[in-house]
Amino acid sequence: GAGVSQSPSNKVTEKGKDVELRCDPISGHTALYWYRQSLGQGLEFLIYFQGNSAPDKSGLPSDRFSAERTGGSVSTLTIQRTQQEDSAVYLCASSLEGRASFINEKLFFGSGTQLSVL
Amino acid sequence: GNSVTQMEGPVTLSEEAFLTINCTYTATGYPSLFWYVQYPGEGLQLLLKATKADDKGSNKGFEATYRKETTSFHLEKGSVQVSDSAVYFCALISSGSARQLTFGSGTQLTVLP
Repeated sequence: GAGVSQSPSNKVTEKGKDVELRCDPISGHTALYWYRQSLGQGLEFLIYFQGNSAPDKSGLPSDRFSAERTGGSVSTLTIQRTQQEDSAVYLCASSLEGRASFINEKLFFGSGTQLSVL
Repeated sequence: GNSVTQMEGPVTLSEEAFLTINCTYTATGYPSLFWYVQYPGEGLQLLLKATKADDKGSNKGFEATYRKETTSFHLEKGSVQVSDSAVYFCALISSGSARQLTFGSGTQLTVLP
């Protein structure tokens, strides 16, 4: 597609339920990032995929959070046993390559998934 | 670790007013600095950047100067428009970090006609 696509755009769930958030990066982009945007806070890095390398999971806040990227393209972020503090906007971004893309203006963000845990 | 602090919003201005959104940072190494903008219903997009001290980034009438001595990267625009209403994020990436951008908390700007 023309841009990074995320689905659903909004998700309301009950505390304790599992949720899956999907990200379709721009075709051909090898790097994929997940960020979390909580109310009143900055964007928080969650996880980074680059090609076939092992993902950088250093930002995942707990073992309830996991992510995978199948076939080097679509990524799914899974939150198990959701808590109210998980409520946030989850943003996905992709780029052609890794860190250098930030400086070369080749990082593209999706419009996010608004997650509300009741 | 790296951190970015930007002025809290929301900020409400009249059209043609002067805008300043303050941003200061703490980082290891020699960071590159960015301002991202998020218009309603859209994804984040890069507004401007500066990769070394004293560089000035500019785009769409917005400017920000990389001040190493004050560790700041304040965003300015001389005359805002209604279409500038958005959330603005200051961010950095440094040579000492992993691959992720470090963002500030965002500042909501509303420009009234």
